[in-house]
Amino acid sequence: DAGVIQSPRHEVTEMGQEVTLRCKPISGHDYLFWYRQTMMRGLELLIYFNNNVPIDDSGMPEDRFSAKMPNASFSTLKIQPSEPRDSAVYFCASSAPGDLSYEQYFGPGTRLTVT
Amino acid sequence: GQNIDQPTEMTATEGAIVQINCTYQTSGFNGLFWYQQHAGEAPTFLSYNVLDGLEEKGRFSSFLSRSKGYSYLLLKELQMKDSASYLCAVRDSNYQLIWGAGTKLIIKP
Repeated sequence: DAGVIQSPRHEVTEMGQEVTLRCKPISGHDYLFWYRQTMMRGLELLIYFNNNVPIDDSGMPEDRFSAKMPNASFSTLKIQPSEPRDSAVYFCASSAPGDLSYEQYFGPGTRLTVT
Repeated sequence: GQNIDQPTEMTATEGAIVQINCTYQTSGFNGLFWYQQHAGEAPTFLSYNVLDGLEEKGRFSSFLSRSKGYSYLLLKELQMKDSASYLCAVRDSNYQLIWGAGTKLIIKP
């Protein structure tokens, strides 16, 4: 398997613009997680889905952030409008409960810079 | 509240042994994970403990004491490629992963 796929790998945008981050989980995995990582705050869970349904979005910082999972092989995280403080690395991860260790497999991340 | 504590940074010498500690206070416990993250890369899974004791996997071992809310990751025969951040994460009663801030390990020749 190709692992978790994220696009784009790097995104530079201006404040106020809409940003859409994309994720393809590992085939067969039924949990999908969106994380944000910064030096100051470390790794933060934003939202996670089970079988395409959002389970917990308490980590989504503001209404400017939204996430969707229209099918088992695709999810998006959208920021509208973007702000400089949104600059971070955004990771998508997937996991398959039923695996003994319940580990999460991370994608390579999207490095977002908002100027 | 939920809290996971790890040292911010550690330094060790190539070929030596290093122990990275993690203490936690969470709402319930359903396992503890260690992940490795090289600079600019994604975290990758190292180990999983759900029962007390030591789990050994090659040069890496992980220990858990649930009564003490404590775990450590032991790295033996350190190599330069082990320079990375090591993240401790605990799965709580809601099966959510609570992440520590990570320990940056610096290996010197």
